[in-house]
Amino acid sequence: DGGITQSPKYLFRKEGQNVTLSCEQNLNHDAMYWYRQDPGQGLRLIYYSQIVNDFQKGDIAEGYSVSREKKESFPLTVTSAQKNPTAFYLCASSILNDEQFFGPGTRLTVL
Amino acid sequence: GNSVTQMEGPVTLSEEAFLTINCTYTATGYPSLFWYVQYPGEGLQLLLKATKADDKGSNKGFEATYRKETTSFHLEKGSVQVSDSAVYFCALSNFNKFYFGSGTKLNVKP
Repeated sequence: DGGITQSPKYLFRKEGQNVTLSCEQNLNHDAMYWYRQDPGQGLRLIYYSQIVNDFQKGDIAEGYSVSREKKESFPLTVTSAQKNPTAFYLCASSILNDEQFFGPGTRLTVL
Repeated sequence: GNSVTQMEGPVTLSEEAFLTINCTYTATGYPSLFWYVQYPGEGLQLLLKATKADDKGSNKGFEATYRKETTSFHLEKGSVQVSDSAVYFCALSNFNKFYFGSGTKLNVKP
């Protein structure tokens, strides 16, 4: 059964901690994306990758980092430099220039 | 540049009412157009898409037609149900980049 998985579903972070959100896809898609969604708001692009070992900053990359060592995986690290990280994080993948498929999301809360 | 503008919500309708959510876009070249739906606490799901002018995308009673002359892709449904309550996002894909509208929340009352 093909799709995108994100884990964990809920994540709690203390001030000053780095946390990593997992995103895995078995759709054989080249492109992967991370978005941030705040309550009642639209999507904002954090990072995207169109090929393994390469990625580009989106509109709000500050305080975040990513890696793309495998085609299937695109983890996002929320660093302590991100001052307001509480949000809903969505991962997506696509064939280039075609529809994006989304994971179920991870809700991150700073304690 | 590329951008998507959709009507602000919330849109509140009674069950079986007709739905229109407006979406207009700005783009160079020939973008593909999409409507996504998001239920509370979940990711986005593709609702329908159209890849060229005059194409009509349809799914689950929802329809949208790619109108190049008016740069629009309005979402319509003839008779909404309570289960259609969700947030709807219009989006375009162009030159390997995706652009989303800000979303329109739909509330359907019994």
